[in-house]
Amino acid sequence: AQKITQTQPGMFVQEKEAVTLDCTYDTSDPSYGLFWYKQPSSGEMIFLIYQGSYDQQNATEGRYSLNFQKARKSANLVISASQLGDSAMYFCAMREGWAGNQFYFGTGTSLTVIP
Amino acid sequence: NAGVTQTPKFRVLKTGQSMTLLCAQDMNHEYMYWYRQDPGMGLRLIHYSVGEGTTAKGEVPDGYNVSRLKKQNFLLGLESAAPSQTSVYFCASSYGLADYNEQFFGPGTRLTVL
Repeated sequence: AQKITQTQPGMFVQEKEAVTLDCTYDTSDPSYGLFWYKQPSSGEMIFLIYQGSYDQQNATEGRYSLNFQKARKSANLVISASQLGDSAMYFCAMREGWAGNQFYFGTGTSLTVIP
Repeated sequence: NAGVTQTPKFRVLKTGQSMTLLCAQDMNHEYMYWYRQDPGMGLRLIHYSVGEGTTAKGEVPDGYNVSRLKKQNFLLGLESAAPSQTSVYFCASSYGLADYNEQFFGPGTRLTVL
């Protein structure tokens, strides 16, 4: 079974609008971390936001927030007030457990911001 | 700080040739990883290391070998390159074992095997 599932291969959003990128995960470990990374066309991987499984509140970093629904095992990324520079691939990832050596990545969502 | 660097940035090989990709990090991280990225498949873990002198297999280790002789360096070797190994290779490092320790990525190496 896939550890991380991103079901939206491509998304479009109007500039200044908000957009939600979906991510569901699969783990039986009570302790895990969820991450979102951005990969612009230049190719580098940029860390955006982290959510811990025990965190009571949704993580926020500037215009990025993570909509964490533990019972549904979902960790959706919300980008508010989209900008042209937000056009990129976005990857959801998970690290299991306190001693988790591996990160599991989804297949990514390509976001295009329309002027 | 340079963070995570990778050498080379681009390489073209012929089938059967060998090469080594070098990853270096200056953040004193214990954990280092090699991924490959193929269209539509996200990042897949090839090998990783939890400390100097240790290595372990990831999801797609066949055809690759690694070594971690120094804490700051993690080498990925292709002994006999195949066209199926055409990909973008990313190195990453992480500070610790905690689930909140994110990975820091290098800029990637684009490898083409003809």
